[in-house]
Amino acid sequence: EPEVTQTPSHQVTQMGQEVILRCVPISNHLYFYWYRQILGQKVEFLVSFYNNEISEKSEIFDDQFSVERPDGSNFTLKIRSTKLEDSAMYFCASSDRLASNTQYFGPGTRLTVL
Amino acid sequence: QKEVEQNSGPLSVPEGAIASLNCTYSDRGSQSFFWYRQYSGKSPELIMSIYSNGDKEDGRFTAQLNKASQYVSLLIRDSQPSDSATYLCAVDGGSGGSNYKLTFGKGTLLTVNP
Repeated sequence: EPEVTQTPSHQVTQMGQEVILRCVPISNHLYFYWYRQILGQKVEFLVSFYNNEISEKSEIFDDQFSVERPDGSNFTLKIRSTKLEDSAMYFCASSDRLASNTQYFGPGTRLTVL
Repeated sequence: QKEVEQNSGPLSVPEGAIASLNCTYSDRGSQSFFWYRQYSGKSPELIMSIYSNGDKEDGRFTAQLNKASQYVSLLIRDSQPSDSATYLCAVDGGSGGSNYKLTFGKGTLLTVNP
């Protein structure tokens, strides 16, 4: 069964450093998303991406964040200068059509900012 | 601010019993409703989606939607210890033109006791 994959599973970085989180969405899906979940809190939407551009972004997704689809399979989230409060699980999701909006989640990347 | 509220639990049921999980949402324009299961430290796993008023059954799971009351529920019949997890209610963007993001509730922790 097709699934969303994410790398790395765990990333440790120093405050102020740049990190890139990688995702490979399900192959025939066209809509891609990033969510985050701070430990013990709810899953929060960051950004959605379709047709090589951002469809929507949340207030969390400020200028420190960017997304890119560098090739036909990868979808990346970059955090330019990490802060302590960026420590969270970051989930990539994809869906195949807007009408149903059924989103399938990857296993996540645990980001720890020291 | 669009809200999704869930009874936080924890909910504890004996093996073989019916577990009932509830969710209310604030945006009357929401069209798509989802239940995800999340094991500790893992990503959300889709269990059910529902779009129309009424019941939708899939194996031991039944989702119920009442748009007039802005209420979604999930029933788990013949609960098993492996059902022990946090259950997340998620609702699509609804009115305001946002069809992309999912808004999640905080989740209900379910424990099924052998």
